[in-house]
Amino acid sequence: QKEVEQDPGPLSVPEGAIVSLNCTYSNSAFQYFMWYRQYSRKGPELLMYTYSSGNKEDGRFTAQVDKSSKYISLFIRDSQPSDSATYLCAMSGEGRNYGGSQGNLIFGKGTKLSVKP
Amino acid sequence: NAGVTQTPKFQVLKTGQSMTLQCAQDMNHEYMSWYRQDPGMGLRLIHYSVGAGITDQGEVPNGYNVSRSTTEDFPLRLLSAAPSQTSVYFCASSYSFALAKNIQYFGAGTRLSVL
Repeated sequence: QKEVEQDPGPLSVPEGAIVSLNCTYSNSAFQYFMWYRQYSRKGPELLMYTYSSGNKEDGRFTAQVDKSSKYISLFIRDSQPSDSATYLCAMSGEGRNYGGSQGNLIFGKGTKLSVKP
Repeated sequence: NAGVTQTPKFQVLKTGQSMTLQCAQDMNHEYMSWYRQDPGMGLRLIHYSVGAGITDQGEVPNGYNVSRSTTEDFPLRLLSAAPSQTSVYFCASSYSFALAKNIQYFGAGTRLSVL
């Protein structure tokens, strides 16, 4: 089982729709959760960052973390064609229960989103 | 405000050739890393560095060497290129590794084809 699972899509929605993107993970020591957006032929750029559980909102974007279910989500409201990109979740952890290299990010494979006008 | 700069943007190599992918950052970041991105595989960590003179292996280090002689530069060397190394390579940096909230900033990538 991969540490981070993410449905690769592709996901196609009409303009104005609410988009829900999700990742599940297996390592309970993950504490830092991020969403990156990657446009075609570009490098990933940080979109949202959250620590531990809870919600964070930034404009049309909301990130949710449910540590009890090991599940994170990114919601995009009023989606626009400019939101068409691949969205990657990433996470990291620390402490003696974290088996990986402390601090290094573990990425999901990314979900390709297309918002149609 | 350059951020993370990667050169070249594109490269075609023949099997067995060597080359160096360059990465430079102007943000005085402590942590730098190299990833490769392949279809269906996501981003996989090749090597990383937590400061000048310190490097370590990531998930897929075989066939790649790195060094970190300065804070700004983190080159990735392919000593004898193989077709399996055809990929898109990304360099990333972040302010601090120790804080474990490693918010990484990525370069634009180098597209490498090995024939």
